[in-house]
Amino acid sequence: DTGVSQDPRHKITKRGQNVTFRCDPISEHNRLYWYRQTLGQGPEFLTYFQNEAQLEKSRLLSDRFSAERPKGSFSTLEIQRTEQGDSAMYLCASSLVALHEQYFGPGTRLTVT
Amino acid sequence: AQTVTQSQPEMSVQEAETVTLSCTYDTSESDYYLFWYKQPPSRQMILVIRQEAYKQQNATENRFSVNFQKAAKSFSLKISDSQLGDAAMYFCAYRTPRGNFGNEKLTFGTGTRLTIIP
Repeated sequence: DTGVSQDPRHKITKRGQNVTFRCDPISEHNRLYWYRQTLGQGPEFLTYFQNEAQLEKSRLLSDRFSAERPKGSFSTLEIQRTEQGDSAMYLCASSLVALHEQYFGPGTRLTVT
Repeated sequence: AQTVTQSQPEMSVQEAETVTLSCTYDTSESDYYLFWYKQPPSRQMILVIRQEAYKQQNATENRFSVNFQKAAKSFSLKISDSQLGDAAMYFCAYRTPRGNFGNEKLTFGTGTRLTIIP
């Protein structure tokens, strides 16, 4: 049984560069969430997919952020023209409707220098 | 908007003792879910316990139990017989049963760092 996986686990990039993160949810989970967690804070909701449809985006998700979930399987989160304020842990979670519980991945820690 | 407040940034407890972590929340909803998640250092977040607001009985999971006070909007976590492996950040979280388009996003508190003293 594999849980939610995220790749890479760590990413260091220079300001202005683009980065892309990947999330593989638990097989057959139709709901997928992205959260962002900064130091000393709890995770904050970014966006949500039901199957391949992106149904809600937080105001935290600026125009530089884009997320996709082609074919309703894995998801990618891209940040363009990174800024130092983007430094955070990016968490992915998935759930199955009947279960309601969200299972979290290990996160991708982004450091923008 | 719903908010979740954890007023204890850090707590410590002797191994084998009992500790209680506090959480309060604000909502105008009558039906919702509350959770405690555990985030060990450099490891992923896992669910510890959950409580449905419509249930009067407090949830329990082995050494973990909650004290859910709906009128006071309070949801504390009690850890009995604390073990070294309990050391982690603990987050209280809230969600409505079904948001926009079925979005069951979680709203988290800022967390409590629990240290276990051997």
